[in-house]
This record gives sequence, structure tokens and C-alpha cells, in this order.
Amino acid sequence: DAKTTQPPSMDCAEGRAANLPCNHSTISGNEYVYWYRQIHSQGPQYIIHGLKNNETNEMASLIITEDRKSSTLILPHATLRDTAVYYCIGGNQFYFGTGTSLTVIP
Amino acid sequence: EAQVTQNPRYLITVTGKKLTVTCSQNMNHEYMSWYRQDPGLGLRQIYYSMNVEVTDKGDVPEGYKVSRKEKRNFPLILESPSPNQTSLYFCAVIPVFSGVGGDRGPNEQFFGPGTRLTVL
Repeated sequence: DAKTTQPPSMDCAEGRAANLPCNHSTISGNEYVYWYRQIHSQGPQYIIHGLKNNETNEMASLIITEDRKSSTLILPHATLRDTAVYYCIGGNQFYFGTGTSLTVIP
Repeated sequence: EAQVTQNPRYLITVTGKKLTVTCSQNMNHEYMSWYRQDPGLGLRQIYYSMNVEVTDKGDVPEGYKVSRKEKRNFPLILESPSPNQTSLYFCAVIPVFSGVGGDRGPNEQFFGPGTRLTVL
């Protein structure tokens, strides 16, 4: 099964852009990249997905490299409420690793 | 957007006492799934169901049962709970399911609020 690699933790200053990287080098050509986040122990929340092109919605932007081996989730203006664990899924859409714990600092 | 409810939200029980955690959705979505979450292990899929009377094992099915008698409900059953089933459980639905491989389109999952289970 395709797995992803994410840094275990990151900090970001409030109001700045948060850029969360993900490596999914074993993703197949027709498999999507998904991002979710989990605040405290609440249910994970879907953020965005993409296949080949960059995507943007009201929550975030997703940048996928041309070779599709990695992607970056961008929160353009991080707020304290964005403090959460962010999961990148590339390949097996039902495999959630341990994600990146993002802390937004005032 | 899909709404997913779980009950109970918190449960403390003892080894061997059968319990059921319910999951209900407010739409007629076909795909439903159960996960457990443990520290350092992320979320792991227990069972999933692609439609009524169609269920299949996920990555960690041992010690669990499920049923799908109607579309909106997908209960998780622990016939004889043990302490190693102490965990945080999540139910999830996929509104427009495009196949397990996802190769016909994206499968965004919507999760319930979670059930924290402690087995003594």
C-alpha cells in the first residue's frame, strides 16, 4: 500500500502562511492526494484533494509536484484555530498515518 | 454535507461485557467505515461497508463485528471487549463512493465525532 511521509511537528506564526509538506513517492497515477485535519480528539475533517493540478478552496491550497511524488498544503493566513494534526493521504485513501502536528503561535 | 452521529460518545466498561457503538448518517450514502485511533499509530480501519448487507474487513478487524441492515446505520459490535480495545473510535461516510481503489474519482470521507471507549 502506498504510504506517506510527513514531518511529525511544525510551528507557524499566527497570520503567516503554513506550508505543510508530504512525501508520497509510491502514489499511483490515478490515485488522489487528500488532506485532512484533526483538532484535539475530534473527528478528522476533510480539507482538500487533488490529482495532478494544484487546487484551492476556502480552507487551503494544495500544490502537487509535477512528478506527483510530493505535495504541500498551504494555509495562507494561519490562525490559532488551525492548530491541529494534519494528515496527508496519497494512495491508499483509508490509510491515515500519524500526520503533522501544527502549532500556530500567537 | 454528510452528518455522522455516534453513540455513546464515552463509555467505560469491563472485560467481556458485550457492547455496541452506533453510527448513523443523515443521508443515503453507500459507503461507511469504522476506524480506531491509538497514540502513535494514527487511524486504522476496522471494517467498512459499501452498501446494505455488504461489509468487509479493514486492517484491524479482530475482536469486532459490524452489520449493515439499512443504509443509514452501521453499528460496531464488540462481543467480548478486552483492554487492548481501549481506544478512540470514529465512524466515517463517503457521500459519493468511487470504488475502493479510488480510481474513478475522489472519495472524501466525513467523520463522526468519535467514541472514547475504555475497557477495564
